Amino acid sequence: QVQLVQSGAEVRKPGASVKVSCKASGYIFTSFVIHWVRQAPGQRLEWMGWINPGNDNTKYSQKFQGRVTVTRDMSASTTYMELSSLKYEDTAIYYCARGNREWDYWGQGTLVTVSS
Amino acid sequence: DIQMTQSPSSLSASVGDRVTITCQASQDIRNYLNWYQQKPGKAPKLLIYDASNLATGVPSRFSGSGSATDFTFTISSLQPEDIATYYCQQYDNFPLFGGGTRVEIK
Repeated sequence: QVQLVQSGAEVRKPGASVKVSCKASGYIFTSFVIHWVRQAPGQRLEWMGWINPGNDNTKYSQKFQGRVTVTRDMSASTTYMELSSLKYEDTAIYYCARGNREWDYWGQGTLVTVSS
Repeated sequence: DIQMTQSPSSLSASVGDRVTITCQASQDIRNYLNWYQQKPGKAPKLLIYDASNLATGVPSRFSGSGSATDFTFTISSLQPEDIATYYCQQYDNFPLFGGGTRVEIK
């Protein structure tokens, strides 16, 4: 069965970076784009960027351009989202999701807390 | 940039009621619109894709309609397990979610 399994919760200080992983299984890794989305407490879902594992193309939200980097490891069927220069307002749950049009499978979410 | 306006932001209805949520795009997005359900502490779940197609395994009381700029999501008969927040999402260009609608039981 299709699964996206994310890494565990993280705590970082302001100015630091965080890297969250999303391991895919149960389907052909290169067949679907992987998106990264975040949800701050009580807020709407916010798209950050995507990667096409097949050709390594990426696209980022203008809001996060320069601070977010999405990469993939083909041998591990895993994508990574790294967010740098963390601010308190980056405290959120970060999700990966599979989808070229409809996003039919999601990771369980990773809580990133930015705290001094 | 495309804007997505979802309404209402919250609603309260009785079990068995018909519930309708609307989503308006600031420009034509064809039928590139999905609807998701999110329960507390959980990841969103796809319900409707391409504006009107029911996702696999989703009960038929959920439906979607619309195209271009105006879209509607309907629960034909609200059930207790439908308590959640619902989001529209356009993917015509950069993916963008609506503000969400919290559905509660009256």
